[in-house]
Amino acid sequence: GPKVLQIPSHQIIDMGQMVTLNCDPVSNHLYFYWYKQILGQQMEFLVNFYNGKVMEKSKLFKDQFSVERPDGSYFTLKIQPTALEDSAVYFCASSPTGDEISNERLFFGHGTKLSVL
Amino acid sequence: GQGVEQPDNLMSVEGTFARVNCTYSTSGFNGLSWYQQREGHAPVFLSYVVLDGLKDSGHFSTFLSRSNGYSYLLLTELQIKDSASYLCAVTDSNYQLIWGSGTKLIIKP
Repeated sequence: GPKVLQIPSHQIIDMGQMVTLNCDPVSNHLYFYWYKQILGQQMEFLVNFYNGKVMEKSKLFKDQFSVERPDGSYFTLKIQPTALEDSAVYFCASSPTGDEISNERLFFGHGTKLSVL
Repeated sequence: GQGVEQPDNLMSVEGTFARVNCTYSTSGFNGLSWYQQREGHAPVFLSYVVLDGLKDSGHFSTFLSRSNGYSYLLLTELQIKDSASYLCAVTDSNYQLIWGSGTKLIIKP
């Protein structure tokens, strides 16, 4: 079936450094999402993105976070600078819905485990 | 505030069944989804319900009662490979997905 790819699978960085998490969504999908999951805890919404713009973001999406998807390239989540509490697994997801944000099923990547030391 | 609640753990036996419960309290309701997540892997969509009643999808069935803010995912003829976490997520009036913390299902031989 359709796959969302995330690169890298694991990233270890020092606190204060910048990190970019990459996501290759399903090719004909239009909505893209980032979620954060700390081990054993619930999936938490960070942001969704459509037509080159952030549509919704949560309180977890701090000023240090940014997203973009330059044409034909990865959908990225950048954290600059990183903090210890940013350590988590970050899941990218995409959905095909074209007209509005809806309850269309999400296709998830396998996640990038970010370890901030 | 909004919340989706699930038991942390559930244990069952191979060949029998398991019922994973989910209760919710959200601002508005635009459907409820179930995902399966194996350790270290992506959540995988299983089912979406928006109307009351039982939706039978073979190995997985889903029940919804909107008046009670309650759903369950029923797995029948359990196999060891069904061992995973099962996530319940509710779409609220703003079309945001509110996630439960997941129920870890362990299947014993």
